[in-house]
Amino acid sequence: EIVLTQSPDTLSLSPGERATLSCRASQSVSRSFLAWYQQKPGQAPRVLIYGASRRATGIPDRFSGSGSGTDFTLTIDRLEPDDFAVYYCQQYDRSPRYSFGQGTKLEI
Amino acid sequence: EVQLVQSGAEVKKPGESLKISCRGSGHSFTAYWIVWVRQMPGKGLEWMGIIYPDDSDTRYSPSFQGQVTISADKSISTAYLQWDSLKASDTAMYFCARRVSSGFYYFDSWGQGTLVTVSS
Repeated sequence: EIVLTQSPDTLSLSPGERATLSCRASQSVSRSFLAWYQQKPGQAPRVLIYGASRRATGIPDRFSGSGSGTDFTLTIDRLEPDDFAVYYCQQYDRSPRYSFGQGTKLEI
Repeated sequence: EVQLVQSGAEVKKPGESLKISCRGSGHSFTAYWIVWVRQMPGKGLEWMGIIYPDDSDTRYSPSFQGQVTISADKSISTAYLQWDSLKASDTAMYFCARRVSSGFYYFDSWGQGTLVTVSS
């Protein structure tokens, strides 16, 4: 089973700054099978990035994903108040199994 | 518009059974896998299992195998998650979501969630 570890657990930044969130896998993950989600309190998660670096429909270009193998990054440029939420990475392997990271809380 | 609409919140006692639902609309329900995800209070997301409604092919996370049953009725575009005997530790929000299968395996549309509370 592939375990995803996100860091940091909490990231405290101000609007206008850049956020860099990390997701490390216990084994190599295909770029095609790595996604990032945003979840706000009381809401369902929303996909931001799929295929490690492809923005989902309607996601602004302030959000970008990168990485390969076991190390992936979500970067959010020019933070806006609406961006403060919890972010999860998710992977798929051919077992087939899915797993999520434990989440990074982005707080003001 | 793709929509997944889940059944309403439930309050149950330990040992009771429960079946919650996820109804799809706005897309070909039989063409996409539907996943169930648990979120315990204040915690992260956990994959429980996934079903292909067209033939009911189902895969479970080892953590949930034998603990829950996932099923689907394609005639009414609905997937289900059920428990035979609830425990207090089953208290959580449960989400269903649609898995994209375009070579990128991620969940693009989510239900609003069903809160299950198990308490004596």
